[in-house]
Amino acid sequence: AQSVTQPDIHITVSEGASLELRCNYSYGATPYLFWYVQSPGQGLQLLLKYFSGDTLVQGIKGFEAEFKRSQSSFNLRKPSVHWSDAAEYFCAVGPQSWGKLQFGAGTQVVVTP
Amino acid sequence: NAGVTQTPKFQVLKTGQSMTLQCAQDMNHEYMSWYRQDPGMGLRLIHYSVGAGITDQGEVPNGYNVSRSTTEDFPLRLLSAAPSQTSVYFCASRPQWGDTEAFFGQGTRLTVV
Repeated sequence: AQSVTQPDIHITVSEGASLELRCNYSYGATPYLFWYVQSPGQGLQLLLKYFSGDTLVQGIKGFEAEFKRSQSSFNLRKPSVHWSDAAEYFCAVGPQSWGKLQFGAGTQVVVTP
Repeated sequence: NAGVTQTPKFQVLKTGQSMTLQCAQDMNHEYMSWYRQDPGMGLRLIHYSVGAGITDQGEVPNGYNVSRSTTEDFPLRLLSAAPSQTSVYFCASRPQWGDTEAFFGQGTRLTVV
């Protein structure tokens, strides 16, 4: 069965510290991989995506993610968080032809001064 | 470009009432889908469509109907609303070909009392 797991429901990080959000997936083939961010009361904003090629992908707002096929992971990182990074983050996977995006349950990030 | 437009943004229904959530896209995308977002569960696929006249069920289709008479529009119908359908609903679209992500609307927050 296909699944996406975000092991951390909630993460608290100090402003200026580094951030890593974990995403593990179970999928029959190499999927498309995405990270979305959602600020309170807002829609989904795409942070970055992986389709093929270089396994380290750069996104917006200083985020990056690394696809590790052997670990079925697509972890999101940011070297130095800003207060504006407080939001909920979703990992999503989907087939290389359109189908159904599978989302993780989300990780809520709180940034403290 | 307007992208993906959802209406209304907010709605309160009484149990048993019916309503239609509207979704329109102006990007000529073949694929459209509806998700619901509930706390701690991420986004779950309700229904999707791969083109005009073609729809299929997602993970949580019960209580919802869809149709796709045009490429642009993909309405979601609740025939008899239940409190369990209180959620935030997102519509998304994506072209059939190419390495590209899904584009999401801003969401409809529905409360059933």
